[in-house]
Amino acid sequence: GQNIDQPTEMTATEGAIVQINCTYQTSGFNGLFWYQQHAGEAPTFLSYNVLDGLEEKGRFSSFLSRSKGYSYLLLKELQMKDSASYLCAVVDDTSGTYKYIFGTGTRLKVLA
Amino acid sequence: DAGVTQSPTHLIKTRGQQVTLRCSPKSGHDTVSWYQQALGQGPQFIFQYYEEEERQRGNFPDRFSGHQFPNYSSELNVNALLLGDSALYLCASSLWVAGEREGEETQYFGPGTRLLVL
Repeated sequence: GQNIDQPTEMTATEGAIVQINCTYQTSGFNGLFWYQQHAGEAPTFLSYNVLDGLEEKGRFSSFLSRSKGYSYLLLKELQMKDSASYLCAVVDDTSGTYKYIFGTGTRLKVLA
Repeated sequence: DAGVTQSPTHLIKTRGQQVTLRCSPKSGHDTVSWYQQALGQGPQFIFQYYEEEERQRGNFPDRFSGHQFPNYSSELNVNALLLGDSALYLCASSLWVAGEREGEETQYFGPGTRLLVL
């Protein structure tokens, strides 16, 4: 089966660092995406990992461990505008097809 | 460069009715995926279209059907609407990458159509 777990909510302070974890179970893994979604808006692409390790992109970094079925999104120097939901999505390639399986999202609140 | 566009932005229907949602992909993209997102949940994959054919499908009943046109735009049709079909319907486009990097393409989402079924 397929399962993706993320914390439902997190709270952090402006200027701080926050780490949002994602664990997954899939029959066939072909990459992991992180998306940001502000309330009432469409998800926007943040990062993609298919190999183990850390991918850094400005204030945002994403890490993947395929053997552990684990990823995290690291947000540094938090700003108020980072308050949003963060969606972890796994590409499952069971049976030669590619399906994007999303987690329920982590709602991050950044406080002044 | 226009991004992914969807229409309409909002829609109200009653149970049993039928609805058609439309999506135009980002310029240069040839693949369109549709998702249903209930309030407080992550997007659920409905199906994906490439070369005017349904290439993959999630766990949605046959009431959900779609179409892709030669210009890569797409429609999502839902028949016999149920109250539980109320959700944000998202369209995402991507460029199909064959070979070793197949399945790695990044999807870009449109603003969505918010459907309310009464």
